[in-house]
Amino acid sequence: KQEVTQIPAALSVPEGENLVLNCSFTDSAIYNLQWFRQDPGKGLTSLLLIQSSQREQTSGRLNASLDKSSGRSTLYIAASQPGDSATYLCAVITWFSGGYNKLIFGAGTRLAVHP
Amino acid sequence: DGGITQSPKYLFRKEGQNVTLSCEQNLNHDAMYWYRQDPGQGLRLIYYSQIVNDFQKGDIAEGYSVSREKKESFPLTVTSAQKNPTAFYLCASRVPGQGAEAFFGQGTRLTVV
Repeated sequence: KQEVTQIPAALSVPEGENLVLNCSFTDSAIYNLQWFRQDPGKGLTSLLLIQSSQREQTSGRLNASLDKSSGRSTLYIAASQPGDSATYLCAVITWFSGGYNKLIFGAGTRLAVHP
Repeated sequence: DGGITQSPKYLFRKEGQNVTLSCEQNLNHDAMYWYRQDPGQGLRLIYYSQIVNDFQKGDIAEGYSVSREKKESFPLTVTSAQKNPTAFYLCASRVPGQGAEAFFGQGTRLTVV
């Protein structure tokens, strides 16, 4: 059974620091991995999607890497800002019964960036 | 603007009552999902639909029901059989292909009163 774990559960840093958020999964048979941001009481905003054949994706100050063989992904946030404060969730797309596929989520990393 | 609209934003349910959460998308996606989020936990899959008139139970389907009569709409009914319905409910959609990105609505917070 696929399980997704995110470490750390919470992180508090001063503005300007470079950050690494970790996501691990137990079954390497995934189709892709997606990172999301969630603000309190809001829905999920897609940040980056990494296909299983890719090693990394970049968008602005964000860089996500994927190592399927070791079951790990990292989200790197450069020069953090108070506006980056949110919960970051990773999800793997995997096989579901009947040939369908679904997203399996980690519990998230709650990030606070203080001025 | 293309996107996913969930309504209402807040919903209150009395004991023994059925309530329906709305999810509408104009992204032309065939696949739609309902997830439940509880504090400190990851999202858990309730139901999934890959095409009109077809849907599959997820990991926690007991006490919930869905319909998919139109491509754009995937309503979720929380029945009285769901003993602990207080949670944040999120709807998502994507193209059914294996590598496709998922998009989410803004969520509905359901509270039992």
